[in-house]
Amino acid sequence: GNSVTQMEGPVTLSEEAFLTINCTYTATGYPSLFWYVQYPGEGLQLLLKATKADDKGSNKGFEATYRKETTSFHLEKGSVQVSDSAVYFCALSDQSTDKLIFGTGTRLQVFP
Amino acid sequence: DTGVSQNPRHKITKRGQNVTFRCDPISEHNRLYWYRQTLGQGPEFLTYFQNEAQLEKSRLLSDRFSAERPKGSFSTLEIQRTEQGDSAMYLCASRPDRSEAFFGQGTRLTVV
Repeated sequence: GNSVTQMEGPVTLSEEAFLTINCTYTATGYPSLFWYVQYPGEGLQLLLKATKADDKGSNKGFEATYRKETTSFHLEKGSVQVSDSAVYFCALSDQSTDKLIFGTGTRLQVFP
Repeated sequence: DTGVSQNPRHKITKRGQNVTFRCDPISEHNRLYWYRQTLGQGPEFLTYFQNEAQLEKSRLLSDRFSAERPKGSFSTLEIQRTEQGDSAMYLCASRPDRSEAFFGQGTRLTVV
């Protein structure tokens, strides 16, 4: 079945450091891929998405590229800020129902 | 348009009691999803509506759980005879066709 695997956290970085959060997936067909972010006490917010191979999603300085050959969708940011501290979830959408299948989440902690 | 609204935000109940949560999706979003998120995990799919029709239910949704979406607008999720293992964040999401899902802030259930 479809599944998503994320690197375990927490990821602890100093402000302005480079961020990578790894995400790989298993799926039949060609799912859309997403990164969602969850701030403390909040629901999920869509950060970025990619709908087909080689697409690059980007938002707020974050980027991720849909790599079909490595079944990956790694999240990157060149210079993190304290305000980026949150839990990040990688997800794919089931092609028939569009329900989302999430990874377990990666907590990012950025210190000044 | 104020986004997806969930009520209540928090619910504390005694084991064995029934609880009901409500989700008001973004207007004109025909698809509505319920997810459950336990501590340290990603959200897990529970059920999905397209308009008023419930099209898929997860095996996670035991017979103590029931969801409705009368008239294809708001949705309710009821848990009967609550158990401590039901303690979780219950998330609702809505989306139009061919677009990303928007999440509510969730209802945090604590069963004591």
